[in-house]
Amino acid sequence: GAVVSQHPSRVICKSGTSVKIECRSLDFQATTMFWYRQFPKQSLMLMATSNEGSKATYEQGVEKDKFLINHASLTLSTLTVTSAHPEDSSFYICSAVGAGSNYGYTFGSGTRLTVV
Amino acid sequence: AQSVTQLDSQVPVFEEAPVELRCNYSSSVSVYLFWYVQYPNQGLQLLLKYLSGSTLVKGINGFEAEFNKSQTSFHLRKPSVHISDTAEYFCARMDTGRRALTFGSGTRLQVQP
Repeated sequence: GAVVSQHPSRVICKSGTSVKIECRSLDFQATTMFWYRQFPKQSLMLMATSNEGSKATYEQGVEKDKFLINHASLTLSTLTVTSAHPEDSSFYICSAVGAGSNYGYTFGSGTRLTVV
Repeated sequence: AQSVTQLDSQVPVFEEAPVELRCNYSSSVSVYLFWYVQYPNQGLQLLLKYLSGSTLVKGINGFEAEFNKSQTSFHLRKPSVHISDTAEYFCARMDTGRRALTFGSGTRLQVQP
């Protein structure tokens, strides 16, 4: 089946630094990738949608200059949290879907970001 | 905005008992519905989805759900749960013209021995 690899699984960074999270589709071409944020014991909130080769579409309230998303190829999307602060600490999950996949959304295993 | 409501934040149940996790959605002309399971510190795994056709959908791990348009519900059921079913369950929807999923708040299923 379709597999999405997300790295790193956990990262701790200092306040003010930037962190990059990678999301790769291993056995299919992901025409669209989604980035979600999940706070403890809460649901997933969509941050942005990215299509290969074009700019990401951000949800209302999500700072595009803080959460940089790049989807340069059909198998890789990255989320960079710039100038991270403790309030950015969260669980980030990517999801990918391929063309003609009949709405088969595949999720990565998530990244636990802790900003200290 | 289209929404998904999971009224039960937690559902405790004994092993081998049946369980139903409730999901209601705001009405829409065309909607696709999904159930996902999330184990601690992991991503989401698809249990089942309703796109069209038969309103009774069978998924993995013995789960099934029934799409009820008149009641705008998509409840998840399992006739006999196992300890290993303990996890967080999310109901989600996808609406025409918007490829991203909208998730409910989740239901924590706690299976006790």
